Formats: sequence, C-alpha cells, structure tokens
Amino acid sequence: DGGITQSPKYLFRKEGQNVTLSCEQNLNHDAMYWYRQDPGQGLRLIYYSQIVNDFQKGDIAEGYSVSREKKESFPLTVTSAQKNPTAFYLCASRTSGSRYNEQFFGPGTRLTVL
Amino acid sequence: DAKTTQPTSMDCAEGRAANLPCNHSTISGNEYVYWYRQIHSQGPQYIIHGLKNNETNEMASLIITEDRKSSTLILPHATLRDTAVYYCIVRRVVGGNEKLTFGTGTRLTIIP
Repeated sequence: DGGITQSPKYLFRKEGQNVTLSCEQNLNHDAMYWYRQDPGQGLRLIYYSQIVNDFQKGDIAEGYSVSREKKESFPLTVTSAQKNPTAFYLCASRTSGSRYNEQFFGPGTRLTVL
Repeated sequence: DAKTTQPTSMDCAEGRAANLPCNHSTISGNEYVYWYRQIHSQGPQYIIHGLKNNETNEMASLIITEDRKSSTLILPHATLRDTAVYYCIVRRVVGGNEKLTFGTGTRLTIIP
C-alpha cells in the first residue's frame, strides 16, 4: 500500500530531551512538510523540503531541525530549545510533477513532554 | 498573505446538503482555494480545489463567487462520517514552493 507513515503514534519525553519524529513515504513524492497542531487550532508549518538535501523554514521553525537525506524520509527533531513541544505533529508529502496536486497527510504523532 | 474566514461551527441533518461558507476577500488573481477536512486526531484529507470556475468531484462541489472573494463547499448528502473540521485554505506559492496556511476551520456536526 502506498502512503505516509509516522511513528510512533504517541510519544512521551522528559523535559530537556531532544526527540526525533519519523516520517516515511513510498509515494515517490518530491516535497515533504512538517506541521504542528495545538488543541482547537489549525496546522502551522514548521519545515518543508522540495528535494533531497534541501529544506526551508516554515512559519514556526525555532526549536526544530530536519534532514532530507533520502527522498522517502523527512525526520523532525524537536530540540530542548522548543519552549512548548507538547503538540500533535503531522507530516505531509506532495508530488511536484503537477503544480496543483494536493498534500497527503500521515496519521500524526502526538508528543507529550512531561 | 490571503486570509480566510469561516464560521466556527455548523450543524447539518443527515441526508441533507451541508453548505460550508468561506470568505477570502484578499485572495490574489492566481491563488487557488483548497478545502481539506480533519476527522478527530487524524491527518487532514484533501477534498477539492478551484481557481474561479465551479468544481465537482466524488466528494463535494465547490462554488466560487465571480469576484472570487468567497466560496462555498457543498457536501450533497451528508452522512455521519462527514462530521469533521473543514479547512478553507488559500494556497500560496512562494519562490516556487507551495505553502498552505490552515486557519481554525469550521467544525461540522452531522445530526442523525
């Protein structure tokens, strides 16, 4: 089955620890995105990548880092510098073959920092 | 950035048409309107998009006003599974890169 996977679904960490969220897609999509969602709010863009080895900051990149070493993978690291890391994190991907294709979203990872 | 305004919540009876309005009065001429929905604690799902013509697919219809300052998403025969938060988005392209800005959306509840 083609799709986007995010693991784990729930993640707990102690304050001050870095944590890496996984995002993998087998859709052969070029572009990948990370969003953060807080309760009752819409999604906010953290980072995005159009091609391998290239990525750009979104609207709320502070305290986060990413890498794009492979087309299929776009892991997000939540660092200890992120003031309020507890949130629902969503990964998405999109083909760049057409200008108007939609973004496909993964199931999300709910991160709780204790 | 073009901003969208949507009602916070709406109810619709099962089997009836659900009409979800969206205001995007600052939209630019080449910006598309996209609709996504999010069922509780899942990733958003694409529904439909359009530029200036009305659009229809297997999920919904999108009606865009002639001045493009507002649009309406229509779910023709709402079912209980259509209960979700619906996001109206104006798609930005910055330096060749697509960016979607999600607002707080409309929480649609389908009533049995």
